[in-house]
Amino acid sequence: DIQMTQSPSTLSASIGDRVTITCRASQTISRWLAWYQQKPGKAPNLLIYKASSLESGVPLRFSGSGSGTEFTLTISSLQPDDFATYYCQQYNRGYTFGQGTKLEIK
Amino acid sequence: QVQLVQSGAEVKKPGASVKVSCKASGYTFTGYYMYWVRQAPGQGLEWMGWINPKNGDTEYAQKFQGRVTMTRDTSISTAYMELSRLTSDDTAMYYCARDYSPGGDYDILTGYFFPWGQGTLVTVSS
Repeated sequence: DIQMTQSPSTLSASIGDRVTITCRASQTISRWLAWYQQKPGKAPNLLIYKASSLESGVPLRFSGSGSGTEFTLTISSLQPDDFATYYCQQYNRGYTFGQGTKLEIK
Repeated sequence: QVQLVQSGAEVKKPGASVKVSCKASGYTFTGYYMYWVRQAPGQGLEWMGWINPKNGDTEYAQKFQGRVTMTRDTSISTAYMELSRLTSDDTAMYYCARDYSPGGDYDILTGYFFPWGQGTLVTVSS
Protein backbone atom coordinates (compact mmCIF):
# COMPACT_ATOMS: atom_id res chain seq x y z
CA ASP A 1 0.00 0.00 0.00
CA ILE A 2 1.11 3.56 -0.67
CA GLN A 3 1.49 5.59 2.51
CA MET A 4 0.97 9.34 2.53
CA THR A 5 2.65 11.51 5.16
CA GLN A 6 1.72 15.13 5.69
CA SER A 7 3.71 17.76 7.54
CA PRO A 8 3.21 19.55 9.74
CA SER A 9 0.31 17.94 11.61
CA THR A 10 -0.67 21.32 13.01
CA LEU A 11 0.17 24.74 11.65
CA SER A 12 -0.46 28.05 13.43
CA ALA A 13 -0.62 31.10 11.20
CA SER A 14 -2.09 34.57 10.94
CA ILE A 15 -4.40 36.26 8.45
CA GLY A 16 -2.38 37.28 5.42
CA ASP A 17 0.40 34.71 5.97
CA ARG A 18 1.69 32.49 3.19
CA VAL A 19 1.58 28.86 4.29
CA THR A 20 2.77 25.61 2.79
CA ILE A 21 1.72 22.06 3.64
CA THR A 22 3.83 19.13 2.45
CA CYS A 23 2.66 15.65 1.48
CA ARG A 24 5.09 12.80 0.82
CA ALA A 25 4.26 9.47 -0.80
CA SER A 26 6.01 6.23 0.14
CA GLN A 27 6.52 5.50 -3.57
CA THR A 28 6.17 7.48 -6.74
CA ILE A 29 2.63 8.47 -7.68
CA SER A 30 3.44 10.66 -10.70
CA ARG A 31 0.99 13.59 -10.33
CA TRP A 32 -1.99 11.55 -9.17
CA LEU A 33 -2.63 13.63 -6.08
CA ALA A 34 -5.60 15.60 -4.79
CA TRP A 35 -6.03 18.04 -1.89
CA TYR A 36 -9.17 18.50 0.20
CA GLN A 37 -10.27 21.01 2.81
CA GLN A 38 -12.46 19.88 5.69
CA LYS A 39 -14.18 22.13 8.20
CA PRO A 40 -15.55 20.82 11.52
CA GLY A 41 -18.75 18.84 11.11
CA LYS A 42 -18.59 18.99 7.32
CA ALA A 43 -17.58 16.66 4.53
CA PRO A 44 -14.26 17.23 2.78
CA ASN A 45 -14.25 19.51 -0.24
CA LEU A 46 -12.01 19.07 -3.28
CA LEU A 47 -9.50 21.88 -3.80
CA ILE A 48 -6.89 20.55 -6.22
CA TYR A 49 -6.46 17.48 -8.42
CA LYS A 50 -3.65 16.14 -10.60
CA ALA A 51 -1.27 17.82 -8.17
CA SER A 52 -1.81 21.35 -9.46
CA SER A 53 -5.21 21.71 -11.16
CA LEU A 54 -7.48 24.05 -9.23
CA GLU A 55 -11.06 22.92 -8.87
CA SER A 56 -13.63 25.35 -10.24
CA GLY A 57 -14.70 27.93 -7.66
CA VAL A 58 -11.65 27.48 -5.44
CA PRO A 59 -9.91 30.83 -4.74
CA LEU A 60 -6.71 31.51 -6.66
CA ARG A 61 -4.75 31.91 -3.43
CA PHE A 62 -4.67 28.10 -3.30
CA SER A 63 -2.06 26.33 -5.40
CA GLY A 64 -0.52 22.89 -5.60
CA SER A 65 2.75 21.61 -6.94
CA GLY A 66 4.97 18.56 -7.03
CA SER A 67 5.36 15.20 -8.70
CA GLY A 68 6.75 11.79 -7.91
CA THR A 69 6.82 11.55 -4.13
CA GLU A 70 6.78 15.13 -2.85
CA PHE A 71 3.91 17.59 -3.11
CA THR A 72 2.92 20.92 -1.60
CA LEU A 73 -0.26 22.89 -1.04
CA THR A 74 0.30 26.62 -0.70
CA ILE A 75 -2.10 29.31 0.43
CA SER A 76 -0.65 32.61 -0.67
CA SER A 77 -2.47 34.91 1.78
CA LEU A 78 -4.51 33.30 4.52
CA GLN A 79 -8.12 34.37 4.88
CA PRO A 80 -10.42 33.68 7.85
CA ASP A 81 -12.31 31.04 5.86
CA ASP A 82 -9.13 29.01 5.31
CA PHE A 83 -8.71 27.79 8.87
CA ALA A 84 -9.57 24.11 8.52
CA THR A 85 -7.96 20.69 8.16
CA TYR A 86 -6.32 19.78 4.87
CA TYR A 87 -5.81 16.28 3.47
CA CYS A 88 -3.82 15.00 0.55
CA GLN A 89 -4.97 11.86 -1.29
CA GLN A 90 -3.14 9.68 -3.79
CA TYR A 91 -5.00 7.83 -6.53
CA ASN A 92 -2.11 6.27 -8.41
CA ARG A 93 -2.69 2.85 -6.93
CA GLY A 94 -5.64 2.46 -4.64
CA TYR A 95 -6.70 5.47 -2.66
CA THR A 96 -4.86 6.69 0.41
CA PHE A 97 -5.15 9.89 2.40
CA GLY A 98 -2.58 11.70 4.46
CA GLN A 99 -3.26 12.04 8.17
CA GLY A 100 -4.28 15.68 7.81
CA THR A 101 -2.87 19.11 8.65
CA LYS A 102 -4.89 21.31 10.98
CA LEU A 103 -4.44 24.99 10.15
CA GLU A 104 -5.08 27.11 13.24
CA ILE A 105 -5.24 30.81 13.92
CA LYS A 106 -2.13 32.10 15.67
CA GLN B 1 -27.26 20.79 -8.82
CA VAL B 2 -25.35 17.60 -8.10
CA GLN B 3 -26.23 16.34 -4.63
CA LEU B 4 -25.67 13.24 -2.52
CA VAL B 5 -28.01 12.80 0.43
CA GLN B 6 -27.23 10.09 2.96
CA SER B 7 -29.43 8.29 5.45
CA GLY B 8 -29.57 9.25 9.10
CA ALA B 9 -27.42 8.35 12.06
CA GLU B 10 -27.40 4.77 13.32
CA VAL B 11 -26.64 3.17 16.67
CA LYS B 12 -25.73 -0.50 16.53
CA LYS B 13 -24.61 -3.18 18.95
CA PRO B 14 -21.35 -5.03 18.48
CA GLY B 15 -21.74 -7.90 16.02
CA ALA B 16 -24.61 -6.26 14.17
CA SER B 17 -24.66 -4.91 10.62
CA VAL B 18 -25.44 -1.44 9.31
CA LYS B 19 -26.62 -0.34 5.88
CA VAL B 20 -26.11 3.27 4.83
CA SER B 21 -27.78 4.77 1.78
CA CYS B 22 -26.68 7.57 -0.52
CA LYS B 23 -29.28 9.09 -2.85
CA ALA B 24 -27.90 10.92 -5.87
CA SER B 25 -29.55 13.70 -7.80
CA GLY B 26 -28.65 16.25 -10.45
CA TYR B 27 -26.69 13.91 -12.72
CA THR B 28 -26.86 10.53 -14.45
CA PHE B 29 -26.41 8.09 -11.55
CA THR B 30 -25.12 5.24 -13.74
CA GLY B 31 -22.48 7.43 -15.34
CA TYR B 32 -20.14 7.91 -12.38
CA TYR B 33 -18.43 5.59 -9.92
CA MET B 34 -19.38 6.03 -6.27
CA TYR B 35 -16.89 5.72 -3.42
CA TRP B 36 -17.30 5.18 0.29
CA VAL B 37 -14.92 6.79 2.80
CA ARG B 38 -15.05 6.73 6.57
CA GLN B 39 -13.64 8.93 9.32
CA ALA B 40 -13.34 7.81 12.91
CA PRO B 41 -13.87 10.54 15.55
CA GLY B 42 -10.97 12.98 15.47
CA GLN B 43 -9.14 10.87 12.89
CA GLY B 44 -8.30 10.97 9.20
CA LEU B 45 -10.04 9.69 6.10
CA GLU B 46 -10.06 6.04 5.06
CA TRP B 47 -11.17 4.71 1.67
CA MET B 48 -13.45 1.68 1.93
CA GLY B 49 -14.30 0.86 -1.68
CA TRP B 50 -16.17 1.82 -4.81
CA ILE B 51 -19.08 0.67 -6.89
CA ASN B 52 -19.79 1.19 -10.56
CA PRO B 53 -23.54 1.94 -10.60
CA LYS B 54 -23.72 1.08 -14.28
CA ASN B 55 -23.02 -2.63 -13.81
CA GLY B 56 -22.63 -3.17 -10.07
CA ASP B 57 -18.89 -3.90 -10.20
CA THR B 58 -17.17 -3.27 -6.90
CA GLU B 59 -13.70 -3.00 -5.42
CA TYR B 60 -13.14 -3.05 -1.70
CA ALA B 61 -10.15 -2.03 0.39
CA GLN B 62 -8.39 -5.13 1.66
CA LYS B 63 -9.10 -4.11 5.25
CA PHE B 64 -12.85 -4.41 4.69
CA GLN B 65 -13.04 -7.39 2.36
CA GLY B 66 -15.44 -9.99 3.68
CA ARG B 67 -17.25 -7.43 5.83
CA VAL B 68 -18.41 -4.76 3.41
CA THR B 69 -20.93 -4.98 0.59
CA MET B 70 -21.68 -2.12 -1.78
CA THR B 71 -24.81 -2.24 -3.89
CA ARG B 72 -27.01 0.12 -5.82
CA ASP B 73 -30.59 0.56 -6.99
CA THR B 74 -30.55 2.38 -10.29
CA SER B 75 -34.34 2.85 -10.28
CA ILE B 76 -34.01 5.28 -7.37
CA SER B 77 -30.43 6.50 -8.00
CA THR B 78 -29.24 5.22 -4.65
CA ALA B 79 -26.04 3.54 -3.55
CA TYR B 80 -25.73 1.45 -0.40
CA MET B 81 -22.87 0.41 1.85
CA GLU B 82 -23.43 -2.43 4.29
CA LEU B 83 -20.84 -3.26 6.95
CA SER B 84 -21.20 -6.39 9.03
CA ARG B 85 -19.74 -7.77 12.28
CA LEU B 86 -19.47 -4.30 13.73
CA THR B 87 -17.08 -3.50 16.57
CA SER B 88 -16.43 -0.27 18.48
CA ASP B 89 -13.62 0.44 16.01
CA ASP B 90 -16.26 0.92 13.33
CA THR B 91 -17.70 3.94 15.11
CA ALA B 92 -17.20 6.65 12.49
CA MET B 93 -18.74 9.07 10.04
CA TYR B 94 -19.36 7.30 6.76
CA TYR B 95 -19.35 9.32 3.55
CA CYS B 96 -20.32 8.54 0.00
CA ALA B 97 -18.51 10.54 -2.66
CA ARG B 98 -18.87 10.61 -6.42
CA ASP B 99 -16.04 10.17 -8.86
CA TYR B 100 -15.09 13.49 -10.39
CA SER B 101 -15.62 12.62 -14.07
CA PRO B 102 -17.93 10.19 -15.86
CA GLY B 103 -16.59 6.72 -16.53
CA GLY B 104 -17.50 6.86 -20.19
CA ASP B 105 -17.74 3.86 -22.50
CA TYR B 106 -14.63 2.27 -21.00
CA ASP B 107 -15.59 2.68 -17.34
CA ILE B 108 -12.53 4.73 -16.47
CA LEU B 109 -12.04 5.76 -12.85
CA THR B 110 -10.91 9.33 -12.21
CA GLY B 111 -9.89 8.67 -8.62
CA TYR B 112 -10.69 11.89 -6.80
CA PHE B 113 -13.94 12.70 -5.15
CA PHE B 114 -16.49 15.42 -5.76
CA PRO B 115 -19.07 15.96 -4.44
CA TRP B 116 -19.43 14.23 -1.07
CA GLY B 117 -22.53 13.31 0.86
CA GLN B 118 -23.16 14.97 4.20
CA GLY B 119 -22.05 11.88 6.11
CA THR B 120 -23.80 9.28 8.25
CA LEU B 121 -22.64 8.77 11.82
CA VAL B 122 -22.56 5.13 12.83
CA THR B 123 -22.06 4.48 16.53
CA VAL B 124 -21.30 0.96 17.74
CA SER B 125 -21.95 0.54 21.43
CA SER B 126 -23.22 -2.15 23.74
